Amino acid sequence: TQLLEQSPQFLSIQEGENLTVYCNSSSVFSSLQWYRQEPGEGPVLLVTVVTGGEVKKLKRLTFQFGDARKDSSLHITAAQPGDTGLYLCAERTYKYIFGTGTRLKVLA
Amino acid sequence: SAVISQKPSRDICQRGTSLTIQCQVDSQVTMMFWYRQQPGQSLTLIATANQGSEATYESGFVIDKFPISRPNLTFSTLTVSNMSPEDSSIYLCSVEDRRGSVGTDTQYFGPGTRLTVL
Repeated sequence: TQLLEQSPQFLSIQEGENLTVYCNSSSVFSSLQWYRQEPGEGPVLLVTVVTGGEVKKLKRLTFQFGDARKDSSLHITAAQPGDTGLYLCAERTYKYIFGTGTRLKVLA
Repeated sequence: SAVISQKPSRDICQRGTSLTIQCQVDSQVTMMFWYRQQPGQSLTLIATANQGSEATYESGFVIDKFPISRPNLTFSTLTVSNMSPEDSSIYLCSVEDRRGSVGTDTQYFGPGTRLTVL
């Protein structure tokens, strides 16, 4: 069974700092999605990466897919309190498999 | 995109009772899923709700405990039966917009139902 490990598990930083969240797999991803979930809401899809080495940007968020397609990272530049939430990576095989999650808190 | 509503948004229930959670989508969708999530933690898939046939359950989840209905392409229910405190969790439904090619599938989630069992 595919396991998606995320690190760190928790992250508390000051506004304006940069951070990186990692998602690692025991096997090759077909594609990988990143979601953000705010308290009281369902997860919202941020991006899908498909090609090894691919880099996608969404405003201050940069998503990278490893060359071997077994890992991915999410980098946030100049974090803001609105970035606070639970970040989840996920792979779609015959079903969706979600990562262990990273809880981010950005302090004003 | 798809807009999903769930009812109830939260409930507090007594041990041994059952609760039915409703999920309504604003458009017809093929794939609907039910997940369980402990607050602040990841999502665990309970089952795939199939329209017109029995749901497909994941390992560790059984129909007697979590019966699911899917009468049409816009609606599904999940019942949590004979509840115990261990069933306290957030239950989320989701739908998938499948485009057919890799990397184009999008999953949309409802806001969740927060269940507390006393």
